[in-house]
Amino acid sequence: GDSVTQKEGLVTLTEGLPVMLNCTYQTIYSNAFLFWYVHYLNESPRLLLKSSTDNKRTEHQGFHATLHKSSSSFHLQKSSAQLSDSALYYCALRNNNAPRFGAGTKLSVKP
Amino acid sequence: EAAVTQSPRNKVTVTGGNVTLSCRQTNSHNYMYWYRQDTGHGLRLIHYSYGAGNLQIGDVPDGYKATRTTQEDFFLLLELASPSQTSLYFCASSDVGCSDYTFGSGTRLLVI
Repeated sequence: GDSVTQKEGLVTLTEGLPVMLNCTYQTIYSNAFLFWYVHYLNESPRLLLKSSTDNKRTEHQGFHATLHKSSSSFHLQKSSAQLSDSALYYCALRNNNAPRFGAGTKLSVKP
Repeated sequence: EAAVTQSPRNKVTVTGGNVTLSCRQTNSHNYMYWYRQDTGHGLRLIHYSYGAGNLQIGDVPDGYKATRTTQEDFFLLLELASPSQTSLYFCASSDVGCSDYTFGSGTRLLVI
């Protein structure tokens, strides 16, 4: 079945440094739709980015990601981390039914 | 404002107890989902539904039942709760196009 891999459980960065959170996926379907959700403590997860278009960069709130179907990847990036970016980030995959989420990457940004 | 509301926010029950978690959405969405969130596992899909009376099995359904009574309401039932079901549970809804998923605030369940 479908699966999403986020290999980093915790990423710790100093403020101002670039962010890259990895996401790879497996699916037998060609119509993959990928999402990044951000989950702040004591809040609900909310949508950050989404894409179904191969090799097209999508951006929102300073973050960006490009879906690469050839490598089954959808890595999340930001040029300069802010303290307020500290949160849990989920990559998710949807094909023909319910979305599947990865294990999540906790991003901790330090001063 | 469209929303997904979960109740209760917190619940403590004993092993073998009977628990019902409730979810109501006012988004006019057809699809609703139940996930559990555990460190190291992320959000895992328990059950989901395409509409009233419909139920689909997710990836971790053992020990859980669910029922979609109306378009708005989706319930998760634990009939014999076990400590392994201690978790943070999220309900979500989406439209038919599934372009976004709106999550509730979560229910924290402790089974002692």
